[in-house]
Amino acid sequence: GAGVSQSPSNKVTEKGKDVELRCDPISGHTALYWYRQSLGQGLEFLIYFQGNSAPDKSGLPSDRFSAERTGGSVSTLTIQRTQQEDSAVYLCASSLAPYRGRGNTEAFFGQGTRLTVV
Amino acid sequence: AQSVAQPEDQVNVAEGNPLTVKCTYSVSGNPYLFWYVQYPNRGLQFLLKYITGDNLVKGSYGFEAEFNKSQTSFHLKKPSALVSDSALYFCAVRPHSGYALNFGKGTSLLVTP
Repeated sequence: GAGVSQSPSNKVTEKGKDVELRCDPISGHTALYWYRQSLGQGLEFLIYFQGNSAPDKSGLPSDRFSAERTGGSVSTLTIQRTQQEDSAVYLCASSLAPYRGRGNTEAFFGQGTRLTVV
Repeated sequence: AQSVAQPEDQVNVAEGNPLTVKCTYSVSGNPYLFWYVQYPNRGLQFLLKYITGDNLVKGSYGFEAEFNKSQTSFHLKKPSALVSDSALYFCAVRPHSGYALNFGKGTSLLVTP
């Protein structure tokens, strides 16, 4: 597809269960970002991947959150032992590498996964 | 710290009137600034970005943004608002030495007929 694809679009899970959210970036985009958008809040940065470099995990809120990116393409965000406060929309974005004079490279976002923990 | 502020939670404007959604930033060096729009139950769509040297940047759907270095602002504007412009608007900055976009809290724009 032409855009960033996220799946599932909606996920309802029970408290304490693990969930996996998937992101398929735009082909050729080496940078991939995960953000979280809680109701009425702005976007909270979670994690950033760039090529084969070590990811920037500085935004992950707890050790229950992890993410990987296989083969420099598809990424999976995993939340273990989900809590009700994890309920939010999880947004993935991709872009060309934003360095070497390309700091104004825009990121393209997927439609998001709405996670509801009950 | 690199950050953006959107001082208004909501902006109301009548259809056909000009609109402004405010954004101020705090960065060191030349800023990388962006505007995104989010329609209900949708992801973020890129509207426009600051291009060094251009104080007035034109983007999608008739939107433009005015960069003011002395006031450290990057306000989003449109000469004539449409009801369909009603959405959530986010200003974002990418730190000069970084890569992740830092977003403001968003401004809800309501255009009434």
